[in-house]
Amino acid sequence: DVKVTQSSRYLVKRTGEKVFLECVQDMDHENMFWYRQDPGLGLRLIYFSYDVKMKEKGDIPEGYSVSREKKERFSLILESASTNQTSMYLCASSPTPYSGGGTDTQYFGPGTRLTVL
Amino acid sequence: EDQVTQSPEALRLQEGESSSLNCSYTVSGLRGLFWYRQDPGKGPEFLFTLYSAGEEKEKERLKATLTKKESFLHITAPKPEDSATYLCAVQPYSSASKIIFGSGTRLSIRP
Repeated sequence: DVKVTQSSRYLVKRTGEKVFLECVQDMDHENMFWYRQDPGLGLRLIYFSYDVKMKEKGDIPEGYSVSREKKERFSLILESASTNQTSMYLCASSPTPYSGGGTDTQYFGPGTRLTVL
Repeated sequence: EDQVTQSPEALRLQEGESSSLNCSYTVSGLRGLFWYRQDPGKGPEFLFTLYSAGEEKEKERLKATLTKKESFLHITAPKPEDSATYLCAVQPYSSASKIIFGSGTRLSIRP
């Protein structure tokens, strides 16, 4: 079974703090993703990565950065946390589809509920 | 623009009362369609991937079907433990690994 783990289930931080959210996957997947999920807004993609040291902006990258130094680990960084970043953060990983077809099904971690006071 | 619409937003059923959840999609070319289950406070759990119109997949009381414009998640004789939010997502050929999620259907099964 694919296993995606996230460093914390619950996190409480203060406005202005630097916040690190860690994600680790054990299936040697090339792709990793960070989403946030808010009531009424669904899942929104923040950043994703195709490979080590590669990153691409998603739909809502403002206020976030990412780091991928090893294939299995993808970190989300809030440089200066703000109250509007209070949310559920979800990490996912997927393999690269076979050439000529196939999908890259995404597998999710348990989520980190971040509260910024 | 690629998009996914799920209906209804919420559905309440009696235990044993079968029904269907709908996922309508618009994409330039479909690489795959996914169904996930999400329990409150947890990450989405993968259920099915469908690749082409006419395809069906089953798992316990759930069956997913796919046409060129929509997918259905049929739930047969549901139990209270089937209560969850069900998410549909699509991957366009143009997406380079990204997938587009619908807003989900909250399913509640009363004993």
